[in-house]
Amino acid sequence: DTGVSQNPRHKITKRGQNVTFRCDPISEHNRLYWYRQTLGQGPEFLTYFQNEAQLEKSRLLSDRFSAERPKGSFSTLEIQRTEQGDSAMYLCASSTLTTLTDTQYFGPGTRLTVL
Amino acid sequence: TQLLEQSPQFLSIQEGENLTVYCNSSSVFSSLQWYRQEPGEGPVLLVTVVTGGEVKKLKRLTFQFGDARKDSSLHITAAQPGDTGLYLCAGEGETSGSRLTFGEGTQLTVNP
Repeated sequence: DTGVSQNPRHKITKRGQNVTFRCDPISEHNRLYWYRQTLGQGPEFLTYFQNEAQLEKSRLLSDRFSAERPKGSFSTLEIQRTEQGDSAMYLCASSTLTTLTDTQYFGPGTRLTVL
Repeated sequence: TQLLEQSPQFLSIQEGENLTVYCNSSSVFSSLQWYRQEPGEGPVLLVTVVTGGEVKKLKRLTFQFGDARKDSSLHITAAQPGDTGLYLCAGEGETSGSRLTFGEGTQLTVNP
């Protein structure tokens, strides 16, 4: 399977703990995105990378959130001091820009539950 | 802030019926993508439309991008239970860079 992969698929943690998620994009894709999706809503943009550079961050990304893509391949999203409001599906997507569009392909997501 | 409004939010129909889902905005998009999402999974890309007025067909699904690139529709002919899922439209803004702006989704249920 050469699609986007995410690990873990599910994470249950207690409030105040730190969590880290990993995303492996499609191998030839140089762009990587993180989104968050809560129940009954569409995904909301968090941040994106082109190669190893983080080019854009949403205002949704508080100081407790940090994302890295150190070698321009896989990425990690860390949430420090988790809060119950952080409970959501965290989605990763990757793309490679063509002349016309930047079609994004999504991974299966990591479901975070903060108790 | 760019917004995409999808309608209807919920749709429950019988097998064999036709349906249309709408995605509207006051903003212009450089492209628009339709995804289908199953519970507990990530969105799966169905189609990308780029040109105003463009129509794309994928078996029983027909996608249209408005002439002004502000709206789109998804039409399903002779719906089947396997079409059940959450349908999401997402726009790539002309001025918002590569971020996608998603609609809230249309939850489709096709009953046998």
